[in-house]
Amino acid sequence: GAGVSQSPSNKVTEKGKDVELRCDPISGHTALYWYRQSLGQGLEFLIYFQGNSAPDKSGLPSDRFSAERTGGSVSTLTIQRTQQEDSAVYLCASSPGQGTPLHFGNGTRLTVT
Amino acid sequence: TQLLEQSPQFLSIQEGENLTVYCNSSSVFSSLQWYRQEPGEGPVLLVTVVTGGEVKKLKRLTFQFGDARKDSSLHITAAQPGDTGLYLCAGPYRGATNKLIFGTGTLLAVQP
Repeated sequence: GAGVSQSPSNKVTEKGKDVELRCDPISGHTALYWYRQSLGQGLEFLIYFQGNSAPDKSGLPSDRFSAERTGGSVSTLTIQRTQQEDSAVYLCASSPGQGTPLHFGNGTRLTVT
Repeated sequence: TQLLEQSPQFLSIQEGENLTVYCNSSSVFSSLQWYRQEPGEGPVLLVTVVTGGEVKKLKRLTFQFGDARKDSSLHITAAQPGDTGLYLCAGPYRGATNKLIFGTGTLLAVQP
């Protein structure tokens, strides 16, 4: 079946603009994660959704960042008033449930000019 | 704070050479995972180690989990250009097993 799909694959935006990044997880996966990866670095946890539970937002770096997951499927990560330090690859992953391996999408490369 | 530090940070070797990548922490992990990430793609899971002292083999890759479950290593025998990529170790946050923290990564380049 299809893997995790992210769009757009690349996004260039001007400082101060808002951006929305989309993630379509694997069908049936109840857990969904957002991570951020700076150039050549490891992954930084942002937010985690599990079923209908309240999301774990402990990794969001500021109140400019928010995410939602509609109908337990598609998720959108929104960054308001983008800053240059927000430039990174934003990776989405899903998994079948608690403690199961993550399946990653190919990410959205965000560049803030 | 739980941290996973990987070494070396960069490694460039010739095809056919052997190498070892390390993942270390001062914290105990219930399990550790290894991922490989190629340019423009997301990380792909290679293996999960769960038991202290466990050794798992995946073709030319050998993974070991330390006895105290604070460290892990990845050994590649006779590296191939297809092994090129960013190798990441990851483990669950203490008390929040559904979240993974990732290591700093080792960027491996295998020259033909």
